[in-house]
Amino acid sequence: GAVVSQHPSRVICKSGTSVKIECRSLDFQATTMFWYRQFPKQSLMLMATSNEGSKATYEQGVEKDKFLINHASLTLSTLTVTSAHPEDSSFYICSATRGGGELFFGEGSRLTVL
Amino acid sequence: RKEVEQDPGPFNVPEGATVAFNCTYSNSASQSFFWYRQDCRKEPKLLMSVYSSGNEDGRFTAQLNRASQYISLLIRDSKLSDSATYLCVVNVAWDKIIFGKGTRLHILP
Repeated sequence: GAVVSQHPSRVICKSGTSVKIECRSLDFQATTMFWYRQFPKQSLMLMATSNEGSKATYEQGVEKDKFLINHASLTLSTLTVTSAHPEDSSFYICSATRGGGELFFGEGSRLTVL
Repeated sequence: RKEVEQDPGPFNVPEGATVAFNCTYSNSASQSFFWYRQDCRKEPKLLMSVYSSGNEDGRFTAQLNRASQYISLLIRDSKLSDSATYLCVVNVAWDKIIFGKGTRLHILP
């Protein structure tokens, strides 16, 4: 099956620093990638939809200047959490689709901001 | 009406029992439907796609009712390992995918 790799799986950073998370589709070209955030015991929340070569579409309430998404190629999208604060601590997951609706998820990145 | 709605549960079900839950969607133009399973602190994994004719995979049966705009998931002979959160996912357009909030299932020994 299709594989999506997400890196890093865990990151701990100091408040005020920026953190970059990578999402790669390893064996297919992803037409669209999605970024989600999940707080403990809550459901996945879509943050933004990213298409290669164009600006990401952010969901309402998600600050685009804080959560920078770059989708430079059909196999790589990055999420940068800028000036991270403790309330940004969460589980961030990416997914990719090659069309047809089925999603392939990365393993997730657990961010802890001290 | 929310775009995709699920009963959050939790459903507490004895091992061996049959359990079913539904997911309703509001957009009649929705194109494809999926059930995902998410274990605690892990990413969601595809459980099964849902086809118009219904489909079965072992103990799991998924059905789609376009007239009433819902999909269902039936789990027979439930196992302890079935305990998880089950997410309903609806593909409204090629780049618009909506997640339900998930239904928590606890299988009791």
